[in-house]
Amino acid sequence: DQQVKQNSPSLSVQEGRISILNCDYTNSMFDYFLWYKKYPAEGPTFLISISSIKDKNEDGRFTVFLNKSAKHLSLHIVPSQPGDSAVYFCAARLGGATNKLIFGTGTLLAVQP
Amino acid sequence: EAGVAQSPRYKIIEKRQSVAFWCNPISGHATLYWYQQILGQGPKLLIQFQNNGVVDDSQLPKDRFSAERLKGVDSTLKIQPAKLEDSAVYLCASSFFTTTDTQYFGPGTRLTVL
Repeated sequence: DQQVKQNSPSLSVQEGRISILNCDYTNSMFDYFLWYKKYPAEGPTFLISISSIKDKNEDGRFTVFLNKSAKHLSLHIVPSQPGDSAVYFCAARLGGATNKLIFGTGTLLAVQP
Repeated sequence: EAGVAQSPRYKIIEKRQSVAFWCNPISGHATLYWYQQILGQGPKLLIQFQNNGVVDDSQLPKDRFSAERLKGVDSTLKIQPAKLEDSAVYLCASSFFTTTDTQYFGPGTRLTVL
């Protein structure tokens, strides 16, 4: 039962162009969505998040869009830089007393110089 | 500010052996999490501590996995006996409290069971 899905295992874009990473979810009880970035041999690092009551959140080159009716969110990186090359995990938080995160399987982004 | 520390970074054992992982969270963080990340999958929560109490261990295979957080700071995760399917990266994370706080991850321990 995969509640958070990232259907694209990999994505390749040219430096300076836009990167769009997608994520779908099934559980309407998620109250927060997060993106984590992971370099090889390191732990995931928090990138950006969005509350379920918002439809957009922006932080510098990174913007996350949430479409609740479609149960879909996306991460836009503009402009893409070679240092953005990493695995990006979408995660969703179950509301309530815990801070439990459900992660997707990740998308490997390669930004070509 | 020092990050989440984990050791060892790599471990190779044979099936049926036991193994233990150690985690030191960020100073002052009350909540500690252990995740298992199997190759090609996202991290999966095994257990969550609030100080030294267990908040959620619903996905911890309790017949072989155990974890403790003595004094509400450091934590150890143990597997005994290990199976081939336990090969994974074990990630420790911590957060200041539980609700909206960001989880900060350590570098992980890569376990290979032969």
